[in-house]
Amino acid sequence: KQEVTQIPAALSVPEGENLVLNCSFTDSAIYNLQWFRQDPGKGLTSLLLIQSSQREQTSGRLNASLDKSSGRSTLYIAASQPGDSATYLCAVRFLGAQKLVFGQGTRLTINP
Amino acid sequence: GAVVSQHPSRVICKSGTSVKIECRSLDFQATTMFWYRQFPKKSLMLMATSNEGSKATYEQGVEKDKFLINHASLTLSTLTVTSAHPEDSSFYICSALGGLAGGSYTDTQYFGPGTRLTVL
Repeated sequence: KQEVTQIPAALSVPEGENLVLNCSFTDSAIYNLQWFRQDPGKGLTSLLLIQSSQREQTSGRLNASLDKSSGRSTLYIAASQPGDSATYLCAVRFLGAQKLVFGQGTRLTINP
Repeated sequence: GAVVSQHPSRVICKSGTSVKIECRSLDFQATTMFWYRQFPKKSLMLMATSNEGSKATYEQGVEKDKFLINHASLTLSTLTVTSAHPEDSSFYICSALGGLAGGSYTDTQYFGPGTRLTVL
């Protein structure tokens, strides 16, 4: 079964720290992987999309990496700010499928 | 970028009534749309995949007679929750995939802002 797992479920760090969120998937045959942010009661905001052929993508203070062979992706957030507090979701589109399979999310709190 | 809208953003209804939620791709044609459900503090659960002009494909455990999906055009899909009950209260999110945007083909899923359904 194709599954996506995110650990930890929750993370709390002081402002200014660099941090890493983890995402793992059970099948290395993926089409792409996407990281989203979700604020409470709101929809999803796409942060980064990594195609199967890519190793990483960067946007501002965010950097996402992809290692298909080990079934892992990481989202690196540099110099964290209280405004980064949200739930971060990892989603994988596996080969041969159109749908996204979501991880359970990591609820991030940045303390001032 | 590509924009997906949902209407209404919030709806409260009485038990036993039906509620329709619309999902529109505003500036691109969506060959495929997806409907997700999200419980509080949980991740998104795919309910069904709809392709324009054909019947929706429902995920295991989702009642197709209760959650009616219609994808009548390349820019509109609707989800109707029939005979709603309090346990149907949830956050419903749609996404749209594919089609032409600004002359180029886009193969990314774009998400709507969600609809909060409360059934009393």
